Amino acid sequence: SAVISQKPSRDICQRGTSLTIQCQVDSQVTMMFWYRQQPGQSLTLIATANQGSEATYESGFVIDKFPISRPNLTFSTLTVSNMSPEDSSIYLCSVLPGGSRNTEAFFGQGTRLTVV
Amino acid sequence: AQSVTQPDIHITVSEGASLELRCNYSYGATPYLFWYVQSPGQGLQLLLKYFSGDTLVQGIKGFEAEFKRSQSSFNLRKPSVHWSDAAEYFCASTGGGNKLTFGTGTQLKVEL
Repeated sequence: SAVISQKPSRDICQRGTSLTIQCQVDSQVTMMFWYRQQPGQSLTLIATANQGSEATYESGFVIDKFPISRPNLTFSTLTVSNMSPEDSSIYLCSVLPGGSRNTEAFFGQGTRLTVV
Repeated sequence: AQSVTQPDIHITVSEGASLELRCNYSYGATPYLFWYVQSPGQGLQLLLKYFSGDTLVQGIKGFEAEFKRSQSSFNLRKPSVHWSDAAEYFCASTGGGNKLTFGTGTQLKVEL
């Protein structure tokens, strides 16, 4: 299993600013992901955070808007840059401790972001 | 590309009644399937998962799900719903990789 600490839990930000969300895991994990959950919507994968290399982004998400760092196997950050009200969402960090597709994915509590 | 469909956006049941939440997947091979629950202000908690073998899987909190290949379905069931089961439920799958694809979710309301 894995325990994930995600910070901040919520924030209200001015448009045009940036927010960095931190994800700390209590054990080393190979696979780490960032998801977005827009109001009333399902979860959409933003990117896979790769340790020691650039993140792999899904269609519709770009590094300039959502830069991701993964300095080691227990920590990652997601930055939401130049925010607009459309970025108001819950952002969730997820890990796959086993690294293979048949293991359980664990999720952080999420960061509820409101852009005003 | 794989996809997951949850046809019911909202479901309301009375406490003590049975529950079935529908989930259909689209994938060429047998995917790995999951049901997660998200309570207000909480992260996602895994209820159960299916990888292979027995098509009826038991999960936590009295939930079970049945994989039906012929119908491409993985419906979640509970014989008797409790008020604390009110939450949003997500069906998810992984296809050929490690990334989860989520359905749109079903919001469950429980009437006392």
